[in-house]
Amino acid sequence: DAGVIQSPRHEVTEMGQEVTLRCKPISGHNSLFWYRQTMMRGLELLIYFNNNVPIDDSGMPEDRFSAKMPNASFSTLKIQPSEPRDSAVYFCASKSEFTEAFFGQGTRLTVV
Amino acid sequence: SQQGEEDPQALSIQEGENATMNCSYKTSINNLQWYRQNSGRGLVHLILIRSNEREKHSGRLRVTLDTSKKSSSLLITASRAADTASYFCATDAPNAGGTSYGKLTFGQGTILTVHP
Repeated sequence: DAGVIQSPRHEVTEMGQEVTLRCKPISGHNSLFWYRQTMMRGLELLIYFNNNVPIDDSGMPEDRFSAKMPNASFSTLKIQPSEPRDSAVYFCASKSEFTEAFFGQGTRLTVV
Repeated sequence: SQQGEEDPQALSIQEGENATMNCSYKTSINNLQWYRQNSGRGLVHLILIRSNEREKHSGRLRVTLDTSKKSSSLLITASRAADTASYFCATDAPNAGGTSYGKLTFGQGTILTVHP
């Protein structure tokens, strides 16, 4: 298995633009997590899904953030409109009931 | 409140020495995990210790857990330059309904530098 795959690896966008981050979890994993990492706040859990259903989105900072998981092999995190303070590394992770969480390589987002 | 706070924030040692990192947390947990992150990369799982375990070993890693003190430690023995990375503890805690989907709350991490 190629592991958790995130795209793009790097994204630079202008303030106000829509940004979509993508994640392909490991096949067979039924839980998916989106985290954000910044120097100031460390690793924060934004939202997580179980069997494609959002379980807890209390970590999503604002209504500008939304996440979907239309099927077991794909999830998106969308920011609309983006702001400079959204600049961070966004990680996706997946796990099954019997494994630890496996993380993707992350998407480094820069909003200018 | 911050769950999983590590100390020290940074640790610098020579190759061959042992490195000890500590983690404290605030709520009851199902398990505690340690992850490693190399600069600019994703997190890699190192070891998991369940709430009913007190000590666990994996290669050069030794983890202890004291649930009465809500603390854990990670010991890396005979360190190597390749161990240079950030190390995070993460807690898996039950939600209000008592279930857990494996969501993790991370500490701020310890930056370990091993000099050759």
